[in-house]
Amino acid sequence: DAGVIQSPRHEVTEMGQEVTLRCKPISGHNSLFWYRQTMMRGLELLIYFNNNVPIDDSGMPEDRFSAKMPNASFSTLKIQPSEPRDSAVYFCATSGGQVRNTGELFFGEGSRLTVL
Amino acid sequence: AQSVTQPDIHITVSEGASLELRCNYSYGATPYLFWYVQSPGQGLQLLLKYFSGDTLVQGIKGFEAEFKRSQSSFNLRKPSVHWSDAAEYFCAVGARGATNKLIFGTGTLLAVQP
Repeated sequence: DAGVIQSPRHEVTEMGQEVTLRCKPISGHNSLFWYRQTMMRGLELLIYFNNNVPIDDSGMPEDRFSAKMPNASFSTLKIQPSEPRDSAVYFCATSGGQVRNTGELFFGEGSRLTVL
Repeated sequence: AQSVTQPDIHITVSEGASLELRCNYSYGATPYLFWYVQSPGQGLQLLLKYFSGDTLVQGIKGFEAEFKRSQSSFNLRKPSVHWSDAAEYFCAVGARGATNKLIFGTGTLLAVQP
């Protein structure tokens, strides 16, 4: 299995621009999580989906952030408009599957976002 | 609500020395507990996990952790550290019955001296 695939790996953009981060989960995993990692705040859970349905988005910092999961094999995290304080590494993680759910999260390699 | 505390932000050990990374959690019942490792520029990789049963769990790369309910702790140990163990280590807690929602500690950055 290819694991969780995130794109882009690196994104540099200017303040005010729209940013879209993408995630392809491991096939068969039915839970998907978006985390943000910064030096100041560590790993923060932004939102998670179960069977493509958003379950908890209480970690989404502002209305500028939105996430979708239109099908079981794709999710996006969008920031519009972006601000310098959004600079961080954004991780997608997935879990679940046909085998007994062990609770383990499988992480992608992250998308490093820099907003100038 | 769940929370995790990793009191050591940064630890330096000599290669071959033993290692213990501390983790304390707050949760009203018996949680699921995890240790993850993150190498620079990489995502997080699971080292080990505790769900139930034996409170001493073995993981990959020679790591182990012990769940101590009375101390609300889940400390990570390794008897002899290798230079390749230099990385950041995260403890995480999950609530039973929840959809694998994990709360992570702030991490401990491990440096290994030759």
